[in-house]
Amino acid sequence: QGQLVESGGGVVQPGRSLRLSCAASGFTFRNYGMHWVRQAPGKGLEWVATISYNGGSEYYADSVKGRFTISRDNSKNTLSLQMNSLRADDTAIYYCVRGDYGLDVWGQGNTVSVSS
Amino acid sequence: AIQMTQSPSSLSASVGDRVTITCRASQGIGNDLGWYQQRPGKAPKLLIYAASSLQSGVPSRFSGSGSGTDFTLTISSLQPEDFATYYCLQDYNYPRTFGQGTKVEIK
Repeated sequence: QGQLVESGGGVVQPGRSLRLSCAASGFTFRNYGMHWVRQAPGKGLEWVATISYNGGSEYYADSVKGRFTISRDNSKNTLSLQMNSLRADDTAIYYCVRGDYGLDVWGQGNTVSVSS
Repeated sequence: AIQMTQSPSSLSASVGDRVTITCRASQGIGNDLGWYQQRPGKAPKLLIYAASSLQSGVPSRFSGSGSGTDFTLTISSLQPEDFATYYCLQDYNYPRTFGQGTKVEIK
């Protein structure tokens, strides 16, 4: 079925950078599109970014475009999210998710808190 | 961006009740819609994909229907473990957009 384990979250000051990583196992990582989805405290789900199975296409929410970069290393079965110029409203749990049609495997979530 | 409007935003129901949640897209999305369940403190879980296909391992009391702009998630007989928040997500195009969620609470 597959497993996704995120790492790299924490507390960071506004304007600084943070990089999230996601380690995939139990499935053929290179065959799947991958996503980041976030959830601010007490709020609903927000799609953040998607990368195609081979890394050839990337898509971003307007709220993060130009600040966040999604990437993948199919040789290491890892997904990353580089987050620059962080703002208070980026505070959320960030989920690494597998899926092309239907997001069928979710990580446990990694908390990012942007605060001075 | 396609707007996804869920209703109701919350509901109270009893064990054994039939529950229906709707999701309306601001433009036609074919059948490119999924339904997700999120229990408190947990990651979301895929219930339904392609509007009406039951994800493997999901109980058959969950069903989805609809196409175009109007979609429905039905729980035929609510169980204690079904008290959670439910979201729809369109995967027709980018940006992907979720509905705002429907919280199902115990009456």
